[in-house]
Amino acid sequence: GQQVMQIPQYQHVQEGEDFTTYCNSSTTLSNIQWYKQRPGGHPVFLIQLVKSGEVKKQKRLTFQFGEAKKNSSLHITATQTTDVGTYFCAVTQGGSEKLVFGKGMKLTVNP
Amino acid sequence: DAGITQSPRHKVTETGTPVTLRCHQTENHRYMYWYRQDPGHGLRLIHYSYGVKDTDKGEVSDGYSVSRSKTEDFLLTLESATSSQTSVYFCAISEWRVHTGELFFGEGSRLTVL
Repeated sequence: GQQVMQIPQYQHVQEGEDFTTYCNSSTTLSNIQWYKQRPGGHPVFLIQLVKSGEVKKQKRLTFQFGEAKKNSSLHITATQTTDVGTYFCAVTQGGSEKLVFGKGMKLTVNP
Repeated sequence: DAGITQSPRHKVTETGTPVTLRCHQTENHRYMYWYRQDPGHGLRLIHYSYGVKDTDKGEVSDGYSVSRSKTEDFLLTLESATSSQTSVYFCAISEWRVHTGELFFGEGSRLTVL
């Protein structure tokens, strides 16, 4: 079945630092979505990437889809305590109706 | 927030008993999903529905069944609950196929099987 790896699984940063997290697949993806889940909450959609090499920005968050459509990155600039949570990537392959989630990257921020 | 209601929100039950979780939506979205979330496993798809009476299996469907007799309701049933089914269960809905549409998640149902 579809496998997607998120690295790192945990990230602890100092407030104000930048960092990048990655989502990698061994197979070509149709699209990739990113979700954020606050502690005790439910996943909330952030962005969807569809095109090879696509880059989208949301304020301090920059999302990129790899040229080969096998990986994606999420870069956060000047991390804030409000960024705390777990970030998931979710992918589909081919014509599948199934959205498969990675195991998530848990972010903690030291104020 | 999307109009999704999960019930019950919390349940404690004993091994071997049947359990039904309900997901109710007011958005009239076609697609509905059940995921389970466990530490170290992220979100795993149990079953999904692409219309009334149209359902299909996900990654971890063993031990679970679903039914969708109305657009707004998607039921997840554990015929005979086991301790390995202790988890947080999330319902999600989508207006479009996952290639083009985002998922909206409910608040989750925490199930403990003793």
